[in-house]
Amino acid sequence: SQQGEEDPQALSIQEGENATMNCSYKTSINNLQWYRQNSGRGLVHLILIRSNEREKHSGRLRVTLDTSKKSSSLLITASRAADTASYFCATDPTGAGSYQLTFGKGTKLSVIP
Amino acid sequence: GAVVSQHPSRVICKSGTSVKIECRSLDFQATTMFWYRQFPKQSLMLMATSNEGSKATYEQGVEKDKFLINHASLTLSTLTVTSAHPEDSSFYICSAYGPGLAAYNEQFFGPGTRLTVL
Repeated sequence: SQQGEEDPQALSIQEGENATMNCSYKTSINNLQWYRQNSGRGLVHLILIRSNEREKHSGRLRVTLDTSKKSSSLLITASRAADTASYFCATDPTGAGSYQLTFGKGTKLSVIP
Repeated sequence: GAVVSQHPSRVICKSGTSVKIECRSLDFQATTMFWYRQFPKQSLMLMATSNEGSKATYEQGVEKDKFLINHASLTLSTLTVTSAHPEDSSFYICSAYGPGLAAYNEQFFGPGTRLTVL
């Protein structure tokens, strides 16, 4: 089942601007992951944040996690046209024990050159 | 490392035929593989989880007789769409998990297979 909800569903920005996407979830988690999907392709893992972490950086990516609000945000700084893709959050629920991930509905990001 | 391939990348078939999609982990042993279905502009819907050497666990609402999954080895899982119909047209994506690859539950995804049933 899909428990994650990303917002916005679609985001269009100019190259060089920052893009912020949010994700909310419903159950307790071990970790939350962000994936990227280019049109018609598979998913690429971007970054993972554990439930005991609040912020994590990787290059131009910054992820925050607020377990009290059951929400996460992905910030892409200095966006590039090549960042155009759909971005999904995925949660690893506590106690699932089956290595399953639950994906959100995704945010479609368009970066205009 | 941790590369997952899918074959074919695109398939068009007639209604009533069966289609087999392969998912391979190229450089690691995948103890668990997942099959997802994705409709246009939508998220991934988990269809089933397969563990090597055992029967797949299907998600609620997924017909196990319609979508046959076999995970006979640590590097190969197959999804067979039996008696395919136009409503089965979709993008099918597999992912794999292997112990020791990552500290946490990170899945490695294949590039997907676009199935079109005429």
